[in-house]
Amino acid sequence: EVQLVESGGGLVKPGASLKLSCVASGFTFSDYWMSWVRQTPGKTMEWIGDIKYDGSYTNYAPSLKNRFTISRDNAKSTLYLQMSNVRSEDTATYYCTRWTTVATSYFDYWGQGVMVTVSS
Amino acid sequence: DIQMTQSPASLSASLGETVTIECLASEDIYSNLAWYQQKPGKSPQLLIYYANSLNDGVPSRFSGSGSGTQYSLKINSLQSEDVSIYFCQQNYDSPWTFGGGTKLELK
Repeated sequence: EVQLVESGGGLVKPGASLKLSCVASGFTFSDYWMSWVRQTPGKTMEWIGDIKYDGSYTNYAPSLKNRFTISRDNAKSTLYLQMSNVRSEDTATYYCTRWTTVATSYFDYWGQGVMVTVSS
Repeated sequence: DIQMTQSPASLSASLGETVTIECLASEDIYSNLAWYQQKPGKSPQLLIYYANSLNDGVPSRFSGSGSGTQYSLKINSLQSEDVSIYFCQQNYDSPWTFGGGTKLELK
C-alpha cells in the first residue's frame, strides 16, 4: 500500500524558515517523480514544484522558486520542502504527492497533509 | 500560465441524481486533465486522468469527458459518499494549475 507521511509543519513567524519532510513507502521511491502541492484555508490548490526520480532536476511554480527548494533522499525514501522567508500567504496545508508521468501526468497518491501557519 | 475555470463553485443535489461539473481551460490542453475528489477532512484522491480514464477503484458512476479547452466530470446516481470538493487540474504545461473547486452537497 502506497503511503506518504508528511511532517515538520507548525506555527512559524514571518521571515523564518521551515523544512517539511515526507516519508514514502509501498512503492519504489527512486522510480518516481515527486511533487508538493498546497491548499490554502480557502481550499485553493496550488502546485509548488516537482523533482525528478533521481533528484537531478527540479521544476517550480514561478512565484515560489526563489523561496522554496525541493530535494529528496532516495536512500531514505524521503522528500523534502525547504521553505525560506515565509509569509502569511504561505499559510496552508502542504501535501506530498507522487507525480506519475506516462503519456500524461497526474498526482496519483497524496499524503495526509501537514499544516503550516505563518503568524507573528 | 494556463487558467482553469471550474463551474459551478457549489452544487446541491439529491441522492440518485446525475450531476455535471465543468472545467474550462484558457487554452487547448489536449486532454491532459485530471479530476480529484476531496472528501471532508481528507486528502484529495485521483478520480480521472487524461480527461476520461477512470483511476483504479473509482466507481463507474464517475465519468470524464471533453477535449480542447472544455471538460466535464459526470456523477451518475449520486451517493451520500460523493459529498466532496472536486478539482480539475491541467498537466499539459507547467506550472500545473488547478480549478477553483466545486463543493458538492446533498439537498
